[in-house]
Amino acid sequence: NAGVTQTPKFQVLKTGQSMTLQCAQDMNHEYMSWYRQDPGMGLRLIHYSVGAGITDQGEVPNGYNVSRSTTEDFPLRLLSAAPSQTSVYFCASRRLAGGRGTGELFFGEGSRLTVL
Amino acid sequence: DAKTTQPNSMESNEEEPVHLPCNHSTISGTDYIHWYRQLPSQGPEYVIHGLTSNVNNRMASLAIAEDRKSSTLILHRATLRDAAVYYCILRDVKYGNKLVFGAGTILRVKS
Repeated sequence: NAGVTQTPKFQVLKTGQSMTLQCAQDMNHEYMSWYRQDPGMGLRLIHYSVGAGITDQGEVPNGYNVSRSTTEDFPLRLLSAAPSQTSVYFCASRRLAGGRGTGELFFGEGSRLTVL
Repeated sequence: DAKTTQPNSMESNEEEPVHLPCNHSTISGTDYIHWYRQLPSQGPEYVIHGLTSNVNNRMASLAIAEDRKSSTLILHRATLRDAAVYYCILRDVKYGNKLVFGAGTILRVKS
């Protein structure tokens, strides 16, 4: 079972460069989200989506764009990378049906991004 | 979003039970209590969740106070593999799409 797959696992960028972190899930989950985790801190929600064509902002959306054209994929775009975006990024998905208060979140293994 | 408060760190001996507390005094009636854990260099993984009643699964037990203002995650016999950061999170069923993590509790297990 693939679950949630993130690529790349590691990336080094220069300030001002753009890039896209890929996230794909094969569980037919409606909900997908992106978090960032800085050293010694918990996860902070960047953006999330409840289905194709629907996205919304989380706690720290500035500097990031997302789109959801298919159920399976939820890419995260860094428009102009800054050193403050150096972090580990996690993608997560879950089923929405069956009550929105429930639904286990499945996480990917993370993408470690360094911006020089 | 209702907030949770957890101790920064806790320590346990291997093979002994561990009680990880979480305070959520502003919890609303529709908030579910979720617990996740994050092992070193991995993404978080689901542990357990509940609303009002105590819950058990193969990983842990969740004890919820009668007034729901606090809860405790119970690991019945800690192993070295349980060393991780444990996150207590509230999810409002009305606005259940966002799941906001706090800093969590670092659990250290001694052999």
